[in-house]
Amino acid sequence: GENVEQHPSTLSVQEGDSAVIKCTYSDSASNYFPWYKQELGKRPQLIIDIRSNVGEKKDQRIAVTLNKTAKHFSLHITETQPEDSAVYFCAGSSGGYNKLIFGAGTRLAVHP
Amino acid sequence: DTAVSQTPKYLVTQMGNDKSIKCEQNLGHDTMYWYKQDSKKFLKIMFSYNNKELIINETVPNRFSPKSPDKAHLNLHINSLELGDSAVYFCASSPTDVLNEKLFFGSGTQLSVL
Repeated sequence: GENVEQHPSTLSVQEGDSAVIKCTYSDSASNYFPWYKQELGKRPQLIIDIRSNVGEKKDQRIAVTLNKTAKHFSLHITETQPEDSAVYFCAGSSGGYNKLIFGAGTRLAVHP
Repeated sequence: DTAVSQTPKYLVTQMGNDKSIKCEQNLGHDTMYWYKQDSKKFLKIMFSYNNKELIINETVPNRFSPKSPDKAHLNLHINSLELGDSAVYFCASSPTDVLNEKLFFGSGTQLSVL
């Protein structure tokens, strides 16, 4: 079946450093790629999304890049802060109903 | 004021019991979902409803039966609970005509089957 792989599973950075999380997808028809942030014990929340007709999108300290040819996309967080600590999930759409296939998540820890 | 609210937040029950989780959204969205997050945090869609009509049924055992009395509510009933059903169940809704975009999640129901 369709698959989204996410790396790394855990990521530890110092406050102020950048963090990069990468995902690859298998469905070449995928056209929508959201990123969700889930703090401990909380609900997942959409932080940024990108469509396949766009190569890059930025929102303040967060950016997402997409390489359709290689079928991978990445989340970039600059100037990380302790409140960025959370589990981040990538996802790709798949199938006629645009079903989301989620990656396994990346646990990001930002140390002061 | 909670946009997507689900109850209960915690549910502890014995194997074999039947239980329900309720979900309501006040965002005026047409589409609602149930997602399951297992102990490894893996998120997977179970069902999707658009205007009370079932759109996605993702190979979920028929012990799970969603019910949407109106487009603001999507409840989940589970019969004959099994140990493997233990997970966090998230309700969600989305605002656009395209399914599965810009999901708003509820706060989750942690189900523990003993």
